[in-house]
Amino acid sequence: DTGVSQNPRHKITKRGQNVTFRCDPISEHNRLYWYRQTLGQGPEFLTYFQNEAQLEKSRLLSDRFSAERPKGSFSTLEIQRTEQGDSAMYLCASSLGQGLAGGSYNEQFFGPGTRLTVL
Amino acid sequence: AQSVTQPDIHITVSEGASLELRCNYSYGATPYLFWYVQSPGQGLQLLLKYFSGDTLVQGIKGFEAEFKRSQSSFNLRKPSVHWSDAAEYFCAVAPGTASKLTFGTGTRLQVTL
Repeated sequence: DTGVSQNPRHKITKRGQNVTFRCDPISEHNRLYWYRQTLGQGPEFLTYFQNEAQLEKSRLLSDRFSAERPKGSFSTLEIQRTEQGDSAMYLCASSLGQGLAGGSYNEQFFGPGTRLTVL
Repeated sequence: AQSVTQPDIHITVSEGASLELRCNYSYGATPYLFWYVQSPGQGLQLLLKYFSGDTLVQGIKGFEAEFKRSQSSFNLRKPSVHWSDAAEYFCAVAPGTASKLTFGTGTRLQVTL
C-alpha cells in the first residue's frame, strides 16, 4: 500500500506524559500537513511542511506541541506534558507542493489518523 | 479568514432515496471547495472539488455538487443513496491549490434499509 501511514493508530497516555506520533507520506509528496479532529468537529489545521521546512503553524499549536520533518520524508508530532484537552484524532496528509504540477490542484491524501486518549 | 458551515449535523435517508447535504462558506474571493467523506477507521477521502468553470462538478461514487456564488453554497447531492454511503461528510475550503484546508463540522449520514 503506498498511501499515507500513521503510527501508532491508538495511544492512551496519562496526563503529563509526552507522546510522539509518526506520519509517513506518499513517497513523492513534498508537502505534509497535520490536522487535529476532536469529537463532533471537522479537522483543524495544525501545521505543514514543504520538504523539511515548517512553513506555517496554527495558533492551536501551543508550545507543548512540536513537529519535525528532518529529511523531508516522514514527520513526527510530539506533545509534551499532555493534557486531557489534547485527546483527539491527529490526522496527517500529504500532497505535491505548488510549482510541481503547474496550476492544477494537488490533492491532499489523508492517513487513517492516530487517536490519542489522555487519562 | 475563511469558514465553512454545515447546518445539518445528522441526516437519515432511506436507501434509494435522493440526498442533499448543505454547505455554506465564507471567503473574500472564490475559494477552492471540496467535499470529503470519512468512514469509521478510514482516512478522509476526497469526493469532489471545485476550482472554476462549470458550477456543477461530478465526483466519485456517483456524487455531484453545485457551486452557487450568489448563495455562497456548495451542496453535495446524490440521486440514489446506497447503504454503503453511510459515513461522515465534510465540506472544506482552501484559498489556494496547495493550501491548508478549513473544514466544516461535518454531517453524519445514516442510511436505513
